[in-house]
Amino acid sequence: SAVISQKPSRDICQRGTSLTIQCQVDSQVTMMFWYRQQPGQSLTLIATANQGSEATYESGFVIDKFPISRPNLTFSTLTVSNMSPEDSSIYLCSVEDRGAGAYEQYFGPGTRLTVT
Amino acid sequence: AQSVAQPEDQVNVAEGNPLTVKCTYSVSGNPYLFWYVQYPNRGLQFLLKYITGDNLVKGSYGFEAEFNKSQTSFHLKKPSALVSDSALYFCAVRDVHGYSTLTFGKGTMLLVSP
Repeated sequence: SAVISQKPSRDICQRGTSLTIQCQVDSQVTMMFWYRQQPGQSLTLIATANQGSEATYESGFVIDKFPISRPNLTFSTLTVSNMSPEDSSIYLCSVEDRGAGAYEQYFGPGTRLTVT
Repeated sequence: AQSVAQPEDQVNVAEGNPLTVKCTYSVSGNPYLFWYVQYPNRGLQFLLKYITGDNLVKGSYGFEAEFNKSQTSFHLKKPSALVSDSALYFCAVRDVHGYSTLTFGKGTMLLVSP
């Protein structure tokens, strides 16, 4: 399975600022995903990031608020822009293994964001 | 639209006893089903999946799950619980046909007492 790292692991930010979260994978993957996990909640998909194309955003999430980059097959960034306390969440990146029909997703350790 | 229901917010079991964490799903076609576990301050770890074939699938750490198409369920089970199994468990589903993303249930906290 892929090994995924995220930076930073946690941060405390002031409202109105932006934070960029990095996701690094130890192997080349086609599909990368960004999720949000609000306190006590399940995971909500923000967007799917494919290399060489614009990210596909889920309903309720927009590019201006959550711009995503995917410059190559092992790296992606998610920016949380103009933050408010409601953005306080754990942000997780994941990758999908479609080898041999696996369709398994593997997750990074997450970035715990607190907005004050 | 696809969805997952985990009817229990929390499951309590004594160490050594069998455990079951319930999951039901809804998809328009055939499902791919998954269980993930999240330990405190950690990301999600893949436990097991059902893609096709045998309805009983075995996964990591002694866990298994049974796919029941008629009841649209995919309950997670373990014959003998360990205190270290205490964690948050998520069931997830995606539709086999066409492109679809993974939909997660709200999670069930499993607490295993010594």
